[in-house]
Amino acid sequence: EAGVTQSPTHLIKTRGQQATLRCSPISGHTSVYWYQQALGLGLQFLLWYDEGEERNRGNFPPRFSGRQFPNYSSELNVNALELEDSALYLCASSLTGTGDEKLFFGSGTQLSVL
Amino acid sequence: GQQLNQSPQSMFIQEGEDVSMNCTSSSIFNTWLWYKQDPGEGPVLLIALYKAGELTSNGRLTAQFGITRKDSFLNISASIPSDVGIYFCAGYNAGGTSYGKLTFGQGTILTVHP
Repeated sequence: EAGVTQSPTHLIKTRGQQATLRCSPISGHTSVYWYQQALGLGLQFLLWYDEGEERNRGNFPPRFSGRQFPNYSSELNVNALELEDSALYLCASSLTGTGDEKLFFGSGTQLSVL
Repeated sequence: GQQLNQSPQSMFIQEGEDVSMNCTSSSIFNTWLWYKQDPGEGPVLLIALYKAGELTSNGRLTAQFGITRKDSFLNISASIPSDVGIYFCAGYNAGGTSYGKLTFGQGTILTVHP
């Protein structure tokens, strides 16, 4: 069974550009979560989607947005990129739609903003 | 917002030694979790704890949910080279604005010398 897959693995952008990151959850999982892992820091919660709806978001500015598609895959968009957006972006999925804490993580997209 | 203080930040040990790390919070969590992240991978769930005072083992790993609900501990016995990685604690409270959101510690980097 395939795990959570993320693409691209690496992404290089310049300040002011937009970045789009993609995530496919484990088959049968309806919830998708996005976390930011900046160098030396723990994971910071960004967004939670379930059944196509945004259920919760973390303390990030509105230029961080996303969506979940009918097949439960998800997209994270970061507009007007800033240098401090450079980080590993991790997607996770879970079986239930109740904010299940048992998350299965992908390997992440390393975003570098120059 | 809520923050978890994880210590130590890093550990260098010899193969066969036991390891202890802990996590403290300024507020209560109803669930404590421990994840491990290998280089280039996303975190993997090791142990989940659901009751204050609970002691749970997973092979050579043992974790405890503190009585105050504001802390948790992870012990690794007889360490081996594949224990190398970053260990994260995470706290979770279902419901309200915390729904679906894990709060992570900064991580403990473990290095095991053969």
